[in-house]
Amino acid sequence: GAVVSQHPSWVICKSGTSVKIECRSLDFQATTMFWYRQFPKQSLMLMATSNEGSKATYEQGVEKDKFLINHASLTLSTLTVTSAHPEDSSFYICSARRPDTSSYEQYFGPGTRLTVT
Amino acid sequence: AQTVTQSQPEMSVQEAETVTLSCTYDTSESDYYLFWYKQPPSRQMILVIRQEAYKQQNATENRFSVNFQKAAKSFSLKISDSQLGDAAMYFCAYRSEGGKLIFGQGTELSVKP
Repeated sequence: GAVVSQHPSWVICKSGTSVKIECRSLDFQATTMFWYRQFPKQSLMLMATSNEGSKATYEQGVEKDKFLINHASLTLSTLTVTSAHPEDSSFYICSARRPDTSSYEQYFGPGTRLTVT
Repeated sequence: AQTVTQSQPEMSVQEAETVTLSCTYDTSESDYYLFWYKQPPSRQMILVIRQEAYKQQNATENRFSVNFQKAAKSFSLKISDSQLGDAAMYFCAYRSEGGKLIFGQGTELSVKP
């Protein structure tokens, strides 16, 4: 199956700093990637849709100035959490949509655990 | 807006037995996909099975099968011959025409040896 990587897998940062999370599709080109947030024992909540070469589309209630998304190439999308606070601590998961399948399958990265102290 | 509901927060099954996880959804779209994903303790999302709404036949993947009732908007997952490795959180998901995945709340499945 298709492979999507995320880096880092775990990051600890101090309150007020920014942290960048990378999502890469390793063996296919992804014009569309998605970013999710998951709290412990809860479901995945879509934060934004990232389209290569254009601005991301954010879901209602997600602060676009806080969660900056850049999809600069067909294999890389980044999520930057700016001025992080402890309430931003969560598990962030990306997925990449494979356009060459009839079902436009989404493949998920392994996730990034963010802890803000 | 589409919604997905999993009414069973937790389920338990004896090893080698069969278990069914429930999922209902609400939509006004006529063409869509439904999925079941497994999330083990590693938290890596793994696709278990997919169903295209326009297909009448229920999808099957080895020990995993679905009961898709389009009129009732129901999409249950049956796991046969349960194995210890099946223990995980299972999410039902709806994919809209716009491509977004909408997840249910999840069902935590435990498998007893």
